[in-house]
Amino acid sequence: ETGVTQTPRHLVMGMTNKKSLKCEQHLGHNAMYWYKQSAKKPLELMFVYNFKEQTENNSVPSRFSPECPNSSHLFLHLHTLQPEDSALYLCASSQEGEGGPGELFFGEGSRLTVL
Amino acid sequence: GQNIDQPTEMTATEGAIVQINCTYQTSGFNGLFWYQQHAGEAPTFLSYNVLDGLEEKGRFSSFLSRSKGYSYLLLKELQMKDSASYLCAVKDSNYQLIWGAGTKLIIKP
Repeated sequence: ETGVTQTPRHLVMGMTNKKSLKCEQHLGHNAMYWYKQSAKKPLELMFVYNFKEQTENNSVPSRFSPECPNSSHLFLHLHTLQPEDSALYLCASSQEGEGGPGELFFGEGSRLTVL
Repeated sequence: GQNIDQPTEMTATEGAIVQINCTYQTSGFNGLFWYQQHAGEAPTFLSYNVLDGLEEKGRFSSFLSRSKGYSYLLLKELQMKDSASYLCAVKDSNYQLIWGAGTKLIIKP
């Protein structure tokens, strides 16, 4: 396995379901990110983890809950989502230094549909 | 507020040259990225500019003018596989990435 892998690639869930998205990076990077991508909108940063510590939470609703058990794995737990949460959720990793993030390496994304 | 502007969509012909512009208004500047994203796939890194001028990488070049808050991505000898969205992102004074909405490039034979 190389790069950044995300599972599942597609997920359909009802508003009362609980599900999780998984991301794994094999690049030895020290930072991992969750982004939301909606059609014709800029990428929205949701969460950043640097050395397993959450350093960013951009006013994301509590129905999204991140978990970073180690520097290679990142989860996004989903609970009681709304239809407007339907989007592509992208995980990324980078080597973050004093100058901020370097080049981001993205996973293929998890396409979420909330019914 | 912080803002990145890119055209929503562009069309070009196979074999031709196309220039995708990106203008930004951000609180400080610490570099500008271009990414390519094919439909249904992950964005992939194309280029990074932090100093003014042109960076050439094969058929792709990226230009930056910090005084004008402007960058462009130049694609030469267009191929059908270049049909994709092109994302511009600026690293601001807090080293946060500010993203544009992306430019969808359609290549016609």
